[in-house]
Amino acid sequence: DIQMTQSPSSLPASLGERVTISCRASQGISNNLNWYQQKPDGTIKPLIYYTSNLQSGVPSRFSGSGSGTDYSLTISSLEPEDFAMYYCQQDASFPPTFGGGTKLELK
Amino acid sequence: QVTLKESGTGILQPSQALSLTCSFSGFSLSTTGICVSWIRQPSGKGLEWLADICWDDGKGYNPSLKNRLSISKDTSNNQAFLKITSVDTADTATYYCARRARRYNANWFAYWGQGTLVTVSS
Repeated sequence: DIQMTQSPSSLPASLGERVTISCRASQGISNNLNWYQQKPDGTIKPLIYYTSNLQSGVPSRFSGSGSGTDYSLTISSLEPEDFAMYYCQQDASFPPTFGGGTKLELK
Repeated sequence: QVTLKESGTGILQPSQALSLTCSFSGFSLSTTGICVSWIRQPSGKGLEWLADICWDDGKGYNPSLKNRLSISKDTSNNQAFLKITSVDTADTATYYCARRARRYNANWFAYWGQGTLVTVSS
């Protein structure tokens, strides 16, 4: 299985700040990398698919980039509703696997 | 509008079988290209993909649990099911169903249910 490693596991940040979350795959995944947001009530929302494509309805302050084994999610200016857990997920190789998550919390 | 909702045995004892149902609307599992997945999350931990079932009755299972999983569907009633045999406390988790999306080379879980909590305890 492809292992997905996210960093940091916890990210304290302030409103309006620009933040970046990293995700590294144990082998190349050819851009087949997706990002999800999970709120404290458990609701999971897709944000970005295939490295950099914004899911319909997701604000443009979210962006994704990367290639090969290294990928990142950037939020350009944090809003109150962005404080949540974030997970990356690869779908290049069976079985699909997720990163361990990054908790974005208010500083 | 696509919606999914999970239901299942809330509490069960070790060695019992867990049965989960995903009831959905806004799409049909008989439509070409459509797949529904099960994903779980132990409390305070990460996400683990369990299984997929697709429009053509194709199925995929996580190799780490394959011998214990069985996925099926009822197209007429817009439902997908997951059965896990011989549960133990490690199966305690919130279980989600999700609908996959495919676009060119991209595959992702585009729609998610709210999740259902399953507790295994003696």
